[in-house]
Amino acid sequence: DAKTTQPNSMESNEEEPVHLPCNHSTISGTDYIHWYRQLPSQGPEYVIHGLTSNVNNRMASLAIAEDRKSSTLILHRATLRDAAVYYCILRDVVPPLGNRDDKIIFGKGTRLHILP
Amino acid sequence: KAGVTQTPRYLIKTRGQQVTLSCSPISGHRSVSWYQQTPGQGLQFLFEYFSETQRNKGNFPGRFSGRQFSNSRSEMNVSTLELGDSALYLCASSLVNHGTGNSPLHFGNGTRLTVT
Repeated sequence: DAKTTQPNSMESNEEEPVHLPCNHSTISGTDYIHWYRQLPSQGPEYVIHGLTSNVNNRMASLAIAEDRKSSTLILHRATLRDAAVYYCILRDVVPPLGNRDDKIIFGKGTRLHILP
Repeated sequence: KAGVTQTPRYLIKTRGQQVTLSCSPISGHRSVSWYQQTPGQGLQFLFEYFSETQRNKGNFPGRFSGRQFSNSRSEMNVSTLELGDSALYLCASSLVNHGTGNSPLHFGNGTRLTVT
């Protein structure tokens, strides 16, 4: 069922950039790529999403491969507060009451450790 | 703007009982989805509602049900509780004007259910 594949865990040093990869080889043309992160004892938090072009916001950047079969979440300067589980998911553009199956599949995500 | 509110925060029930969890979405959000999170299975999709209609359902038994009210608030119910139902139950809301793909999910902090 899993539509995305992510490494189980990654480590990075504080104040350095972090590149979190996600593979989605069966992505369809109408799938958006979403990233969320979950800190301990909290619900997941939206980070960024995109369709084809690279996207930037105050939290992170999203780099999408030209064939869209993979993407990378970039944290430009990691802090200890960025230690979390990061999830990459696909969401199809389905009308709210459309009849296409659009289960939301999260997978296990990547646990990011930040070293001080 | 208030975030997604889930009540209660913690709940302890015994096997065989039933439980109802509540989710108040962000004002203006018409879509609510529910998830079960356990250490072994990760974050699993239960169902999604839009305008009081269930538009999507995950692979859970019929003991898990939900509904959405006209004010977009949602409840989920689990009947005949089993030990394996112990989990963090999360709900998320999204705006969903034209389609689901381009609408970020906004999560609450969950209800921690313990079944003894």
